[in-house]
Amino acid sequence: NAGVTQTPKFQVLKTGQSMTLQCAQDMNHEYMSWYRQDPGMGLRLIHYSVGAGITDQGEVPNGYNVSRSTTEDFPLRLLSAAPSQTSVYFCASSSSEVGETQYFGPGTRLLVL
Amino acid sequence: EDQVTQSPEALRLQEGESSSLNCSYTVSGLRGLFWYRQDPGKGPEFLFTLYSAGEEKEKERLKATLTKKESFLHITAPKPEDSATYLCAVREGDSWGKLQFGAGTQVVVTP
Repeated sequence: NAGVTQTPKFQVLKTGQSMTLQCAQDMNHEYMSWYRQDPGMGLRLIHYSVGAGITDQGEVPNGYNVSRSTTEDFPLRLLSAAPSQTSVYFCASSSSEVGETQYFGPGTRLLVL
Repeated sequence: EDQVTQSPEALRLQEGESSSLNCSYTVSGLRGLFWYRQDPGKGPEFLFTLYSAGEEKEKERLKATLTKKESFLHITAPKPEDSATYLCAVREGDSWGKLQFGAGTQVVVTP
């Protein structure tokens, strides 16, 4: 199993550009989520999904969209990038079968100029 | 209002010098407390889940304990490879998505 994979590893955007951060898992986990991590702060939940076709907002959803068309994939879209979205983004997946423990991907480092 | 507070922010240890990290939380209806280890440039790696006060979990030189208001991660006789940031997170209520993370404790173990 590859676990949770994320692409790209690093991205530079200009203010106003859009992009999609990709996340995939091969563990058949029903739950997936996106977090951002900023220096001195804990991981903050952006959006999450409890299954294909079902998504909900987390703590900091503004400026981000998600969709979940399959169990495996959970892309995060930045509609119009802003410097405040410079961060490291982590995708995680979980299942009730593993005690709802969340398993994280390697992260995408995003710089918005 | 912070619901999860970790202390200290940073900890520097000599190899073999045991110590403890603290995670205090104010959420009600705790559904689980999670400890993760994060190496620079990588995603958090799961260590332990604790569900109820009095519960303890161990893995190699690490031992996690839980009370009604806080959790401790004890590092016994640490080695340089234990250097990492240790993250604590709590889940409350019925919504699995409500996972609150602390800011972490950065641990450096020197030979």
